[in-house]
Amino acid sequence: EAQVTQNPRYLITVTGKKLTVTCSQNMNHEYMSWYRQDPGLGLRQIYYSMNVEVTDKGDVPEGYKVSRKEKRNFPLILESPSPNQTSLYFCASSSWTSGVYEQYFGPGTRLTVT
Amino acid sequence: GIQVEQSPPDLILQEGANSTLRCNFSDSVNNLQWFHQNPWGQLINLFYIPSGTKQNGRLSATTVATERYSLLYISSSQTTDSGVYFCAVGVRFGNEKLTFGTGTRLTIIP
Repeated sequence: EAQVTQNPRYLITVTGKKLTVTCSQNMNHEYMSWYRQDPGLGLRQIYYSMNVEVTDKGDVPEGYKVSRKEKRNFPLILESPSPNQTSLYFCASSSWTSGVYEQYFGPGTRLTVT
Repeated sequence: GIQVEQSPPDLILQEGANSTLRCNFSDSVNNLQWFHQNPWGQLINLFYIPSGTKQNGRLSATTVATERYSLLYISSSQTTDSGVYFCAVGVRFGNEKLTFGTGTRLTIIP
């Protein structure tokens, strides 16, 4: 079954304590992205990756880091979380396969920073 | 950066009704997608449609790139169509940098 998995699904942490949200896909997709969703603001892209070792900033990259050492994994790192990073986070992967575009989202990670 | 506006922000319809959702964007795009987020938060990609018209069952979408808008049509609405519909645009083909609109919240009443 094609899927994007995220862990953890829920996380409550304190300001300044480094954390990593993992994202993994089993479809051999080239593209992966991270988004945050906040009420009234829709989804905003944090970082995206076109392939292994190729990453670029989205619209709201401040305070986040990413890496793409393997094609299937795209972890999101918060080195020093702050309360304004409390949000719902989604990972996505996508690809062109035989001329057809397909995209899948993970189930989301709800992060609370106190 | 590119601006994306969706209208209406909210829409409440009776089951069986038809609806049209609109997405306006401020610059030329090479990537336009429509998404549905169900009431449980799950996001599904509906269409990749930087230009032209596509149909998938009761849903169809049209993008008029020269006039910088896209429309999502939902016919014979069902309660399972409820949720938030987002459009997202990108300016470079093959580049996955996307900017989302703030969405249209659709509520279908039985």
